[in-house]
Amino acid sequence: EAGVAQSPRYKIIEKRQSVAFWCNPISGHATLYWYQQILGQGPKLLIQFQNNGVVDDSQLPKDRFSAERLKGVDSTLKIQPAKLEDSAVYLCASSSSDTSNTEAFFGQGTRLTVV
Amino acid sequence: AQSVTQLDSQVPVFEEAPVELRCNYSSSVSVYLFWYVQYPNQGLQLLLKYLSGSTLVKGINGFEAEFNKSQTSFHLRKPSVHISDTAEYFCAVNLNDYKLSFGAGTTVTVRA
Repeated sequence: EAGVAQSPRYKIIEKRQSVAFWCNPISGHATLYWYQQILGQGPKLLIQFQNNGVVDDSQLPKDRFSAERLKGVDSTLKIQPAKLEDSAVYLCASSSSDTSNTEAFFGQGTRLTVV
Repeated sequence: AQSVTQLDSQVPVFEEAPVELRCNYSSSVSVYLFWYVQYPNQGLQLLLKYLSGSTLVKGINGFEAEFNKSQTSFHLRKPSVHISDTAEYFCAVNLNDYKLSFGAGTTVTVRA
């Protein structure tokens, strides 16, 4: 079974530039998550999709971050414009159900450096 | 509200020695509890989870954890570690709102 795929693995941009990350979840997984992991901290949920609908985006900085999941499969996360404090690893995860006891499978992440 | 506290940020340990990673959570309702491991430059991988039933949960790679409701803890243990266990370990909690909240992580460094 193929895992969660993310690209790119690494990205370096200047502040005020825009950037986009892509995630392809495990086939058949209805729930997709984007997490932000700042160095030295645990992952923080940015947004959660159930199929192509947003379940929770309460911690997404909506003035600069946006995410979509067209057709309920793959997803993109965009930052525009980027700030220095956005430097982090962005993790995508998926699970087969939206119930709390279901395991989430994580991709390798995209490491973003904003200079 | 819920929060997860991992009491140790760094745990150095010698090979073949036991290790315990401490995790406490704050919640007034029932929770589901997880431990994830993150090897260098890799994504998070589930080690084990507590949903209900027996409070002692066994996971992969010889790890186990014990759920203690009265102390709101979910400590992770391994009786004998290997060099390959060097990684970062995250405790996570999930209420019925489907959101997985993570602790800050514990870095385990195993030395020969």
